[in-house]
Amino acid sequence: EDQVTQSPEALRLQEGESSSLNCSYTVSGLRGLFWYRQDPGKGPEFLFTLYSAGEEKEKERLKATLTKKESFLHITAPKPEDSATYLCAVMDSNYQLIWGAGTKLIIKP
Amino acid sequence: KAGVTQTPRYLIKTRGQQVTLSCSPISGHRSVSWYQQTPGQGLQFLFEYFSETQRNKGNFPGRFSGRQFSNSRSEMNVSTLELGDSALYLCASSYDRYYGYTFGSGTRLTVV
Repeated sequence: EDQVTQSPEALRLQEGESSSLNCSYTVSGLRGLFWYRQDPGKGPEFLFTLYSAGEEKEKERLKATLTKKESFLHITAPKPEDSATYLCAVMDSNYQLIWGAGTKLIIKP
Repeated sequence: KAGVTQTPRYLIKTRGQQVTLSCSPISGHRSVSWYQQTPGQGLQFLFEYFSETQRNKGNFPGRFSGRQFSNSRSEMNVSTLELGDSALYLCASSYDRYYGYTFGSGTRLTVV
């Protein structure tokens, strides 16, 4: 069965303390892996799409990487405004998005 | 440019009633997807429409239905509401599947 698991469930960091979020997946025929952030009371906001193992993408303090079994979202020198829930989703061979439960990130000033 | 617009933002319905939610995608986006989000189950895919045709469907009962109009606007309908249907319903649009989806702010449905 296709599955997406995100870890940790929650992460508290001090401002400037870099870390990584993990998204591991088992899916038949991966067509793409997506990262989103979601703020309370809002819909998810698109961050990145990764299509193949070895691919990396960056945006400001965020960098996403992909292997054949997992993806990492690296956050470098985070700021309080980076606090959000980060969601990972994989697109399977039927073009359906399967979502992880998310990692709630809290950055303390 | 204008984002994805969902109406209404909040809705309270009684068990057994039906409800219709509306979604206006970003101009030029032909793909519209609907999701249900709950604290226990996370984001779950309902269905996807592309050029007025349902292209994909999630594992939800037939009480959940949707449609897309020629201007790409979409509606979803839930009939015979149950307490467990209380959730945030999110609409997302995209130019096509491989592009990132842009989500609306959602409709918060409470069934009492």
